[in-house]
Amino acid sequence: QVQLQESGPGLVKPSETLSLTCTVSGGSISNHYWSWIRQPPGKGLEWVGSIHYSGSANHNPSLKSRLTISVDTSKNQFSLNLSSLTAADTAVYFCARGRSMNDYWGQGTLVTVSS
Amino acid sequence: QSALTQPASVSGSPGQSITISCTGTSSDVGGYNYVAWFQQNPGKAPKLMIYEVSNRPPGVPDRFSGSKSGNTASLTISGLQAEDEADYYCSSYTSSTTVVFGGGTKLTVL
Repeated sequence: QVQLQESGPGLVKPSETLSLTCTVSGGSISNHYWSWIRQPPGKGLEWVGSIHYSGSANHNPSLKSRLTISVDTSKNQFSLNLSSLTAADTAVYFCARGRSMNDYWGQGTLVTVSS
Repeated sequence: QSALTQPASVSGSPGQSITISCTGTSSDVGGYNYVAWFQQNPGKAPKLMIYEVSNRPPGVPDRFSGSKSGNTASLTISGLQAEDEADYYCSSYTSSTTVVFGGGTKLTVL
């Protein structure tokens, strides 16, 4: 059974950079796309970006200049770096397998941007 | 990119059928058969219910079905049950090689 687990800080200051990692267990990160999806409190889902295990990534255009997504196949992990944070980036961040067909999800991690 | 358009809420009584629409453009829903539907319960991660417009993953009841006509995809739940009460989201691959979600629909089982 594939399992995903997000890890990273729960509180980040404005203007700083958020770094999150998703660790995949129970299966290989190879041969799949992997995605980050976020959900502001009380609001809907927003696609952040996706990365192929080969390293090719696609980003939400509204975040593109601030966003980096990377993959480490040796550790079965993929990561998100989001810079110049504002309160609008406060959300639950989910990692998931797949690009649009997300069949396995992490439990999500709440990231609050506040001083 | 603009979010796909879903009704904010739908409701139905147990045993009835409901349909949730998801309207996009020819650059997303209408252009690709990569539409998915997710069910989300409060405080939980979304669960994949339908992929590639009309396919059900293992374990999803056949009461859930998906279809598409033009730029609008639909999720139909037949034989509505109390446990179906949740938020539902559609998503689509786009011509910009990105993914876009709908705004979400709250399903209430009366």
